[in-house]
Amino acid sequence: IQLTQSPSLLSASVGDRVTITCRASQGISSYLAWYQKKPGKAPKLLIYAASTLQSGVPSRFSGSGSGTEFTLTISSLQPEDFATYYCQQLNSYPFTFGPGTKVDIK
Amino acid sequence: EVQLVESGGGLVQPGRSLRLSCTASGFTFGDYAMSWVRQAPGKGLEWVGFIRSKAYGGTTEYAASVKGRFTISRDDSKSIASLQMNSLKTEDTAVYYCTRAPDYADYVWFDPWGQGTLVTVSS
Repeated sequence: IQLTQSPSLLSASVGDRVTITCRASQGISSYLAWYQKKPGKAPKLLIYAASTLQSGVPSRFSGSGSGTEFTLTISSLQPEDFATYYCQQLNSYPFTFGPGTKVDIK
Repeated sequence: EVQLVESGGGLVQPGRSLRLSCTASGFTFGDYAMSWVRQAPGKGLEWVGFIRSKAYGGTTEYAASVKGRFTISRDDSKSIASLQMNSLKTEDTAVYYCTRAPDYADYVWFDPWGQGTLVTVSS
């Protein structure tokens, strides 16, 4: 199963609403997770089962979708949110990641 | 506190072997599946492989890029997951992360993650 993400690069300002899309090459139900990755740091789980917010993750993050199209939304971008975001399908092996979306400062 | 600590990374020549370890603490290791994920310099995340808990057969799955060369194992008595890497190639150069996954839930996710260990394959 291949995953694509759009956009690959997103320039935004603090306070902006940001939406990242992940598309799967075939249906994966809700077996999708989102991770945040900063340079030199371990990935951090944000969302699992497409829309379930991981404990401790700020509520400005939300996920939606099922089947082949999914979105990660940050309702009001904060300075600590500038990072690269990856989706991952966990419907079937291999558990592929999307290519990533880098969110940087406009 | 749930914690995963990788070790064993370093510089290795192409064709040689290396073994990475992931030591877990703060949870019942044997109840969980474990996975390895890598990130090559300047590239995205790549799933490497997965080992289920003994309750689910301890079965393993691998990415096509490492199948036949890499082996994941686990020692529940020591709370350690290992990644044996043989016939290493320059394209295996990456930071390798270990991560935990529930083996009992309807859905799978990876959390938490270790800090990563760098493997450099070069002559």
